[in-house]
Amino acid sequence: SSEVTQDPAVSVALGQTVRITCQGDSLRSYYASWYQQKPGLAPQLVIFGKNGRPSGIPDRFSGSNSYKTSSLIITGTQAEDEAVYYCNSRDSSGNPLFGGGTQLTV
Amino acid sequence: QVQLVQSGAEVKKSGASVKVSCKASGYMFIGYYLYWVRQAPGQGLEWMGHLNPRSGDTNHAQSFQDRLTQTRDTSLNMAYMQLSGLRSDDTAVYYCARGKTDCLSGICYTYFDLWGQGTLVTVSS
Repeated sequence: SSEVTQDPAVSVALGQTVRITCQGDSLRSYYASWYQQKPGLAPQLVIFGKNGRPSGIPDRFSGSNSYKTSSLIITGTQAEDEAVYYCNSRDSSGNPLFGGGTQLTV
Repeated sequence: QVQLVQSGAEVKKSGASVKVSCKASGYMFIGYYLYWVRQAPGQGLEWMGHLNPRSGDTNHAQSFQDRLTQTRDTSLNMAYMQLSGLRSDDTAVYYCARGKTDCLSGICYTYFDLWGQGTLVTVSS
């Protein structure tokens, strides 16, 4: 089906590790990208490809991929990581498809 | 520096049209597809369409049918998104974003590495 699903909300204790997941058939043959969005701001790319990080994104952010699941992992979560995280894949036509977003509470 | 700068907030009546601009600077405008993504209040991100600045070719989500027009002016490094027949549920923040496509082990994937600041479009009746 042409959709990717995310848990609406996840919480993590300060300094702990959290995994945010994105599931969908398209992820069997596609690398999702991940975006962090804080209130009132534009989304910001944090992970792309197999496990790429743009310049300026802390190395506590990482990605992993397994079958139909893409994961964003934050190791040693900081207070400033509290945000909504969106994954992006593609639909059956090859067009961008966003997950519904996961609110991360630290 | 490398950035996308969008035009300012708009307030429109139902049935009207709105045109949002997105100015690229610091990189080769025609070298990357330009995407439009919107976000209704309290909601998630929705892909609207994208534009090849080099050729002018466009693609858009079926949900916008013939209401969405994407254009560009390569002499100004500007992209434009016009949405017609505005309805109250078009009230949203509209973003432009630069798309990059990489390939790894035979899998090609696109991501959005640069975003505009967003343009709030409010549709009132």
